[in-house]
Amino acid sequence: EAQVTQNPRYLITVTGKKLTVTCSQNMNHEYMSWYRQDPGLGLRQIYYSMNVEVTDKGDVPEGYKVSRKEKRNFPLILESPSPNQTSLYFCASSFGAGGNEQFFGPGTRLTVL
Amino acid sequence: KQEVTQIPAALSVPEGENLVLNCSFTDSAIYNLQWFRQDPGKGLTSLLLIQSSQREQTSGRLNASLDKSSGRSTLYIAASQPGDSATYLCAAPDSSYKLIFGSGTRLLVRP
Repeated sequence: EAQVTQNPRYLITVTGKKLTVTCSQNMNHEYMSWYRQDPGLGLRQIYYSMNVEVTDKGDVPEGYKVSRKEKRNFPLILESPSPNQTSLYFCASSFGAGGNEQFFGPGTRLTVL
Repeated sequence: KQEVTQIPAALSVPEGENLVLNCSFTDSAIYNLQWFRQDPGKGLTSLLLIQSSQREQTSGRLNASLDKSSGRSTLYIAASQPGDSATYLCAAPDSSYKLIFGSGTRLLVRP
């Protein structure tokens, strides 16, 4: 089944404890990105990647890192999480970019205490 | 800069009614427009994608139209069912292919 998977789905952590949220897609998509969704602010892009080893900042990249060493994986790294990073996170992918349909993962609900 | 707006913010209808959700965008030079469904606390499910060269797309009881000249897209849901209750989001990619989302329409279909 073609899909985007994220792990973990739920995570409660404490301020400053490094964490990684994994994202993997099995559709051979070049384009991958991360969004966060917050009440009243909607969905905002954190980082995106056009292809392996090519990443760039989205609208809200502060406090996050990403890497794209393999085409299928695009992990989101929080080196020192803070409470304002408590959010619902989505990974998305598409074949190429621009005019192609984007597929979203199931989401990761992160709480930073 | 692309901006996407959805009206109404919330909608409550009785089961069986046909309904229309609206989406407006400011930059008519869009690649495509995508409609999503989101259940509370869940992920986004892609419903329909309309390419810039198309005027409409259909999937089952859903029909989405695109009018670039007026900066509008509509999602038509025929014979609504309680299971259609969810938030519906429209989105258009900007020049870096980042999706610009509307704030969504929260739909409740009453039995």
